[in-house]
Amino acid sequence: AQSVAQPEDQVNVAEGNPLTVKCTYSVSGNPYLFWYVQYPNRGLQFLLKYITGDNLVKGSYGFEAEFNKSQTSFHLKKPSALVSDSALYFCAVRDVQNTGGFKTIFGAGTRLFVKA
Amino acid sequence: DADVTQTPRNRITKTGKRIMLECSQTKGHDRMYWYRQDPGLGLRLIYYSFDVKDINKGEISDGYSVSRQAQAKFSLSLESAIPNQTALYFCATASPGQGADEQFFGPGTRLTVL
Repeated sequence: AQSVAQPEDQVNVAEGNPLTVKCTYSVSGNPYLFWYVQYPNRGLQFLLKYITGDNLVKGSYGFEAEFNKSQTSFHLKKPSALVSDSALYFCAVRDVQNTGGFKTIFGAGTRLFVKA
Repeated sequence: DADVTQTPRNRITKTGKRIMLECSQTKGHDRMYWYRQDPGLGLRLIYYSFDVKDINKGEISDGYSVSRQAQAKFSLSLESAIPNQTALYFCATASPGQGADEQFFGPGTRLTVL
């Protein structure tokens, strides 16, 4: 069965510092991996995805994520955090071998606070 | 204009009442989804539809039903609402790719069942 874990409920970082939001996954086959961001009173917005190829994926708003197959991780990173990055971040996985349903499993979310 | 819209945005209702949440999209996507969001649990899939004639249960479909009235419309119903259905509900769409496409979410409906 597919699963996603976001081990940190909350991440605090000072503005200008690098940030990392962690995600690990479990699928029976190869994964499609996604990061979404949710701002207050808004729906989720797509940030980036890993399908295949280069393990470092670049996305919106200066975010990037690194796919590590051996560690089954897909951590979200940004070199220099902004106060406006404060939001709820969701990691999600879809099993390539189980695409009959195209069902996406979401993590519980990690709240990022960036302090000025 | 928003690509995925949900109505109502907020709703307070009483136990036992029938409630319908509506979703419309202008993205031309075939795939539509209903999720609920609860604090600490992330998003959980209620139902999904790949076209007008296709309806599938998600992981938490009990107590819910859906209707795909057209490609652009996907409604979620609570036949007899109960307090533990209090949550934030999201509709989402995706294009009919090979499973690699991201989803586009509506702004959500906050439902409170008293």
